[in-house]
Amino acid sequence: GNSVTQMEGPVTLSEEAFLTINCTYTATGYPSLFWYVQYPGEGLQLLLKATKADDKGSNKGFEATYRKETTSFHLEKGSVQVSDSAVYFCALRGIQGAQKLVFGQGTRLTINP
Amino acid sequence: EAQVTQNPRYLITVTGKKLTVTCSQNMNHEYMSWYRQDPGLGLRQIYYSMNVEVTDKGDVPEGYKVSRKEKRNFPLILESPSPNQTSLYFCASSLIGNTEAFFGQGTRLTVV
Repeated sequence: GNSVTQMEGPVTLSEEAFLTINCTYTATGYPSLFWYVQYPGEGLQLLLKATKADDKGSNKGFEATYRKETTSFHLEKGSVQVSDSAVYFCALRGIQGAQKLVFGQGTRLTINP
Repeated sequence: EAQVTQNPRYLITVTGKKLTVTCSQNMNHEYMSWYRQDPGLGLRQIYYSMNVEVTDKGDVPEGYKVSRKEKRNFPLILESPSPNQTSLYFCASSLIGNTEAFFGQGTRLTVV
């Protein structure tokens, strides 16, 4: 079945540092890929998405590129801020069967001033 | 405003006392689902529904029931809650297909 593996956390960085959170997936067919963010005490919000190979999703300075050859969708940001502290989830969704979102285990990111 | 609304946000209950967590969406989405979030396990799907009166089990359905009598509502029912159902629950809705899902704010359930 489909699965997502995320870089284990927690991750702690200083403000203005470069961020990478690794995400790889296993899937049949051509799923869509997503990054969701969960701020403390809140639900999940879509951060960015990509629906086909070589697509780049971007939002709020974050980027991720759908790499079919390496089955990866790594999240990057050039200069993180304290307000980026949150839990980040990589996810995929196919069009077969239950069409469920399959999530990675989440990466907790803390940015220190 | 497009949203998914869950209630209650927090609930403490005792083992065996039936409870219902409500979920409503105003986006006319066909697909609705329930997830539970546990530390180190990410989110796992409990049940899903692709349309009114059409529901099916997800990955962890034991101990839960759902119903879909109207398109907008998808309540989660725990007939006899147990402590291992203590978790953070999320309702989500979306269009059919590999599109993004919209999530509610979550319900933190504690069963003692």
